[in-house]
Amino acid sequence: EIVLTQSPATLSLSPGERATLSCRASQSVSSYLAWYQQKPGQAPRLLIYDASNRATGIPARFSGSGSGTDFTLTISSLEPEDFAVYYCQQRSNWPRYTFGQGTKLEIK
Amino acid sequence: QVQLVESGGGVVQPGGSLRLSCAASGFTFSSYGMHWVRQAPGKGLEWVAFIRYDGSNKYYADSVKGRFTISRDNSKNTLYLQMNSLRAEDTAVYYCAKGLGPRGAYMDVWGKGTTVTVSS
Repeated sequence: EIVLTQSPATLSLSPGERATLSCRASQSVSSYLAWYQQKPGQAPRLLIYDASNRATGIPARFSGSGSGTDFTLTISSLEPEDFAVYYCQQRSNWPRYTFGQGTKLEIK
Repeated sequence: QVQLVESGGGVVQPGGSLRLSCAASGFTFSSYGMHWVRQAPGKGLEWVAFIRYDGSNKYYADSVKGRFTISRDNSKNTLYLQMNSLRAEDTAVYYCAKGLGPRGAYMDVWGKGTTVTVSS
């Protein structure tokens, strides 16, 4: 099983700041990685797929990068609605999909 | 608009069974693979099962293999999850999700979830 480790567990920032979230895979997943956002009491929402492609309707301030084992989700300038939990997910080990444990982005 | 609505959750005793349903609308259901994903209270996301667009192939997480069965009825635009031999650790919110693209490996549309509680 491919294990995804996200860091940090919690990130405290202020609106307008830049957020950088990390996801590291236990073995190469090529570019087969997605990012999801989940707000309290809501279902997850797909943000990024195949490492760097924004999903439909996702604002340009969200970007993804990386390949192999190291990936980054960047939010260029935080809006109040961006404070949430973020998960990465790999599809390389199809169909044994796995998620990371999540990074909570909280308001400082 | 594209929508998924889960139902069928509830409280069940250990060893019991439950069948979840997911009604799809706003897209051509028969063209997409579908997933079940769960989230235990206060925990992260866990992929549970996937079924191809035509139901020809089904895949399961090791934690549910042999106990859960995913199925679909394309004539009714509905996805199912039959859960047998339930355990306390199956307690979670269960989401159905639409697969993105031809392989459907990512989840681009999610339902609001239905809660399953396994307790005596």
